[in-house]
Amino acid sequence: EDKVVQSPLSLVVHEGDTVTLNCSYEVTNFRSLLWYKQEKKAPTFLFMLTSSGIEKKSGRLSSILDKKELFSILNITATQTGDSAIYLCAVEVGAAGNKLTFGGGTRVLVKP
Amino acid sequence: KAGVTQTPRYLIKTRGQQVTLSCSPISGHRSVSWYQQTPGQGLQFLFEYFSETQRNKGNFPGRFSGRQFSNSRSEMNVSTLELGDSALYLCASSSGTRPEKLFFGSGTQLSVL
Repeated sequence: EDKVVQSPLSLVVHEGDTVTLNCSYEVTNFRSLLWYKQEKKAPTFLFMLTSSGIEKKSGRLSSILDKKELFSILNITATQTGDSAIYLCAVEVGAAGNKLTFGGGTRVLVKP
Repeated sequence: KAGVTQTPRYLIKTRGQQVTLSCSPISGHRSVSWYQQTPGQGLQFLFEYFSETQRNKGNFPGRFSGRQFSNSRSEMNVSTLELGDSALYLCASSSGTRPEKLFFGSGTQLSVL
């Protein structure tokens, strides 16, 4: 059975701190790994990773994938209160189509 | 461009009833996927439709079914509701097979009493 595990479950930081979120996976037929941010209800896309060792960056967020060790990390530097959200990791599996297996998410609270 | 629209936003049903949820994808998108989100299980894949055909299926019982119409709108039906079906049901659309181009709706919050 495909499995995606995220850690920690939740964390509380102060503005300006750096956070590192972890995602490990055990799936058959891996195609890509994606990160989403869920603030209210609709998750919004952050990154898609397919190749090992290549860091993707968007502003203060960055992510990297290790396909040998089967994990990914999402870093947020200089956190702001607007970064408070649930961060979801998902792995795209299967031969075709858009089938994602999600981890349980990490809830991040950034205090002023 | 309008986003993914799900109706209704909230729904309250009792055990044993059935329910139909609707999802209108972004114009031009032919793929619609459905997910169930609960505090205990997180987001779980239900099924995906592409051009009116079910392309992928998750591990949910047969009480959960779906369909897609020629205009790409999709419906999800749950029969014989159970308390454990209480969840946020999210729909996502994309133009094809690019998951980074998957856009989620705001969901239907279903409560089963």
